[in-house]
Formats: sequence, C-alpha cells, structure tokens
Amino acid sequence: SYVLTQPPSVSLAPGETARLTCGGNNIGNKGVHWFQQRPGQAPVLVFSSDTDRPSRIPERVSGSTSGNTATLIISRVEAGDEADYYCQVWDSTSDQRVFGGGTKLTVL
Amino acid sequence: QVQLVQSGAEVKKLGASVRISCKASGYNFPYYYINWVRQAPGQGLEWLGEITPTTGATTYAQKFRGRITVITDTSTSTVYMHLTNVTSEDTAIYYCSRGGDFDFWGQGTLVTVSP
Repeated sequence: SYVLTQPPSVSLAPGETARLTCGGNNIGNKGVHWFQQRPGQAPVLVFSSDTDRPSRIPERVSGSTSGNTATLIISRVEAGDEADYYCQVWDSTSDQRVFGGGTKLTVL
Repeated sequence: QVQLVQSGAEVKKLGASVRISCKASGYNFPYYYINWVRQAPGQGLEWLGEITPTTGATTYAQKFRGRITVITDTSTSTVYMHLTNVTSEDTAIYYCSRGGDFDFWGQGTLVTVSP
C-alpha cells in the first residue's frame, strides 16, 4: 500500500517560513492535498496541487511537489498557524485515498 | 453555502453496529463524491471509503471491507455510513467530506465503543 511520510513536529518562531514535507513514492506525479486541523475542530483544506489555494486561505500559504516530496509552505508564520497539518493523495494503483501521519506545527 | 451536517454522538457496545448520517446542502449534491474519514483519540486521519451519489458506486479502504457500507439517499441529499461489529479500536470521531479535494467537512460524529 502507498505510504505518505510526514515529520511529527516542526517548531518555528513567528515571522519565519514553515516548509512542511510529505514524502511518497513518485508523489510528484500525484495530486496532493493539504489540510490544517486545529484542536477540537474538523480539518480544513488549505492547499491542493490540483486547484491551488481555496479563496478563504491567505496568500502566505502555497505548495510544491517534485519527485518524492511534496511541500506545504507557510510564509511569515503566526500564532494562528499552530495546528496539525496532513497531506493526502489518491493512489491510483490501489484505488485508495491515503493520508500522511500529520505534522504538528508549533509557533514558539 | 456548502454545508455537511452529521448526526449526533453514538455510544455502542462491543460487536454492535453504528450508522452515521451526513446531510449535504448548498451545492449540487450528485456532482461530488462523499468521503468518510475517522480520527481516533490523539491519532491522525484515516480514510474509510467514498460514494458517488449519482451511481451509488462505492470504494472502501481495504482495512474496512466487509464491515463498512456507505449508501446515499439522493432525495434528501444524505449519505449514510454503516460500520458493523465494532471494537474499542473503532472509538473515534467520524467525518464526512466532499469530493476528491475534501474541500468541505462535516462537524464530526463521536463514536464511543464500550465493553
């Protein structure tokens, strides 16, 4: 089965740029979706490699995908960006949708 | 506006079945998949399966095949997820979500499985 690997945690100071990675075999050939989940809330789509950023998401959020790594980039991080972030793809070989294990972003 | 409204919390005994509903509004219901995703306490997101409302075609995660059934009632724009023979490992918040992008999510339904 297809596996997505995310680092468990990333810590940054306010104003820095967060680069959250998601590793998967040839993920550069897949559509990748990223979700933000704050404590006690449902996940929210923040970026899709197919459709870019939803209109309600700030322009500081972007994404890139190449080779075996997808990256969610959050510029000028602020306290409100503290959350868990998950990547997700559809694996056409198995016809399964797969989530990564998630990365907890902490803003110091 | 797009809304997915789920049914309320459930408490089930070991071995029982649970059914959760997800009522959609604010968009053309037949045109988007509905996915089911769950999150066990302190854990990550896990995809359970999806349904295409126009055809009723389903795809289930391999882990849940044989225990999960997802159906749709297009007359009420509602999707139902049925999970049988629950164990303590099925204690989780269950979410429905729209489309291949998962662009909108329900509020979640807590399912607690007790001995």
